[in-house]
Amino acid sequence: EAGVTQFPSHSVIEKGQTVTLRCDPISGHDNLYWYRRVMGKEIKFLLHFVKESKQDESGMPNNRFLAERTGGTYSTLKVQPAELEDSGVYFCASSPPGPYEQYFGPGTRLTVT
Amino acid sequence: RKEVEQDPGPFNVPEGATVAFNCTYSNSASQSFFWYRQDCRKEPKLLMSVYSSGNEDGRFTAQLNRASQYISLLIRDSKLSDSATYLCVVNAPSGTALIFGKGTTLSVSS
Repeated sequence: EAGVTQFPSHSVIEKGQTVTLRCDPISGHDNLYWYRRVMGKEIKFLLHFVKESKQDESGMPNNRFLAERTGGTYSTLKVQPAELEDSGVYFCASSPPGPYEQYFGPGTRLTVT
Repeated sequence: RKEVEQDPGPFNVPEGATVAFNCTYSNSASQSFFWYRQDCRKEPKLLMSVYSSGNEDGRFTAQLNRASQYISLLIRDSKLSDSATYLCVVNAPSGTALIFGKGTTLSVSS
């Protein structure tokens, strides 16, 4: 069974540019989560989708971040415009309906210069 | 106060040693508790869930003390392959989002 996949694996952009990260969850997983780890800090929750609906977006840092999950399948996380403090590793995770284990993708390492 | 606190280590132990990690969490309303393992530059992977009665999976034993809001992980007979960062994780009381500690680094040497 394919795991959670994320694209790209690495992205280097300049401050002020736009970047879009993509996550493909495990097939059949209604829950999709975005997390972020900035250097020296713990992994932090950003938001949670149930199918195509945002269930909890309390962790989104500001309105420069926009997440979508059209059709309840893959999700995108857009950062526009990117700032230096947005650098970090962005993880996506998915799980079946209910309180089950979250399976993490390999992450996208974002560097804003 | 951080929501989940762990000693960052590093813990440097020889093969065959027993090592214990501790973690405290701040929100008494948390209901689910986990230990995740993260290898360098890789994604976190669930090592084990932690239950109130304590639970064991091979060489790994996890304990939960709700009164003290304290979670522990014991690794017996350490292997080289156990070298990794161990993340203490609890669920957010408001839902299923996970709250992570910064992790404890373990290095097992021969």
